[in-house]
Amino acid sequence: AQSVAQPEDQVKVAEGNPLTVKCTYSVSGNPYLFWYVQYPNRGLQFLLKYITGDNLVKGSYGFEAEFNKSQTSFHLKKPSALVSDSALYFCAVRPAPGGNNRLAFGKGNQVVVIP
Amino acid sequence: DAGVTQSPTHLIKTRGQQVTLRCSPISGHKSVSWYQQVLGQGPQFIFQYYEKEERGRGNFPDRFSARQFPNYSSELNVNALLLGDSALYLCASRWDMDSSGNTIYFGEGSWLTVV
Repeated sequence: AQSVAQPEDQVKVAEGNPLTVKCTYSVSGNPYLFWYVQYPNRGLQFLLKYITGDNLVKGSYGFEAEFNKSQTSFHLKKPSALVSDSALYFCAVRPAPGGNNRLAFGKGNQVVVIP
Repeated sequence: DAGVTQSPTHLIKTRGQQVTLRCSPISGHKSVSWYQQVLGQGPQFIFQYYEKEERGRGNFPDRFSARQFPNYSSELNVNALLLGDSALYLCASRWDMDSSGNTIYFGEGSWLTVV
């Protein structure tokens, strides 16, 4: 069964500084990897995904993520954090290929961007 | 185009009661999944439907059931509610089951409180 680890409960960063949110995964075979963001009392918003190809994936709102197969990681990054980036971030994985909708999520990371 | 829409947004039920949650996928999407997100945790997979057939079920008791209609909308039913069923219930849609890498989009969720 697939699983995701997000080792840090909270990530604090000053506005304008680089932001990194860590994610490692476990899955049989090749992974499809996703990042979602959740603002208070809202659903999940899709940020980006890795399916195949270039290990550096660019997504919404200036976020990017780097897939590292040898380290089974998919860390989320943003070069310059904004206060509005403060939210809960979830990494998710499912096995590829195929039509399995079954995403396995990590517990989430609370990102706090300090003005 | 409208995103994934869910209703109701908030509801309060008493232990032992039954609840029905509704979901309309993004126009053109044929696959719907349901997830439960308990406070402080990542979403957990409950059900997956495609073309009105169940295609996957998570580790949830038989009190949980779902169905998908010809227009691809879906309902999640929970019987004999327990306090532990209090959670955000998220519906997710995807274009189909057979194309790898399709993004899964989530609705805003239905907040269920069991008292």
